[in-house]
Amino acid sequence: KAGVTQTPRYLIKTRGQQVTLSCSPISGHRSVSWYQQTPGQGLQFLFEYFSETQRNKGNFPGRFSGRQFSNSRSEMNVSTLELGDSALYLCASSLTGANIQYFGAGTRLSVL
Amino acid sequence: DAKTTQPTSMDCAEGRAANLPCNHSTISGNEYVYWYRQIHSQGPQYIIHGLKNNETNEMASLIITEDRKSSTLILPHATLRDTAVYYCIVRNSGGGADGLTFGKGTHLIIQP
Repeated sequence: KAGVTQTPRYLIKTRGQQVTLSCSPISGHRSVSWYQQTPGQGLQFLFEYFSETQRNKGNFPGRFSGRQFSNSRSEMNVSTLELGDSALYLCASSLTGANIQYFGAGTRLSVL
Repeated sequence: DAKTTQPTSMDCAEGRAANLPCNHSTISGNEYVYWYRQIHSQGPQYIIHGLKNNETNEMASLIITEDRKSSTLILPHATLRDTAVYYCIVRNSGGGADGLTFGKGTHLIIQP
């Protein structure tokens, strides 16, 4: 079974731009969660989607948004990028959300 | 979710058992103990989880004290590839939409 796939692996953007990251969950998994990892704040939960609905959201500004498609694939979008948005963005999938979460390799975003 | 406390770092000789402690004194009855690890710049990897009984799988063993206020992850024969940050996470069994709350974890260094 293929694992969680995140694309792209690396991105370089400039301040003020927007970015879209993609996550394909493990086949059959309906829950997708997104996390941000920075050296200063560690791993922080962004939001979780299940059956195309956002069920929970972490403490991040509205510039961070996401969506989930009918095939469970998910995208997250960050608008008006700031230098502090430079981070490793991780996606995790699970059957229902209450189960084991399996993580992708992440997308490393650098904002210049 | 209950808070966890782990040592910041630990060393272990290659081939020996690595024992990683975790304190979760405020754990409640329906909260599981999960362990994940993160090898440098990769996504976190699920290791094992348990409620109150000791658990073993192909990667590790999890020993939970009778009062459930602490646990120990055991890697029976550590190799250099086990060098990683290990996270102990306590999670509500019904927490489908809640993200995982990662602390700072234990940086385990396996010495040759």
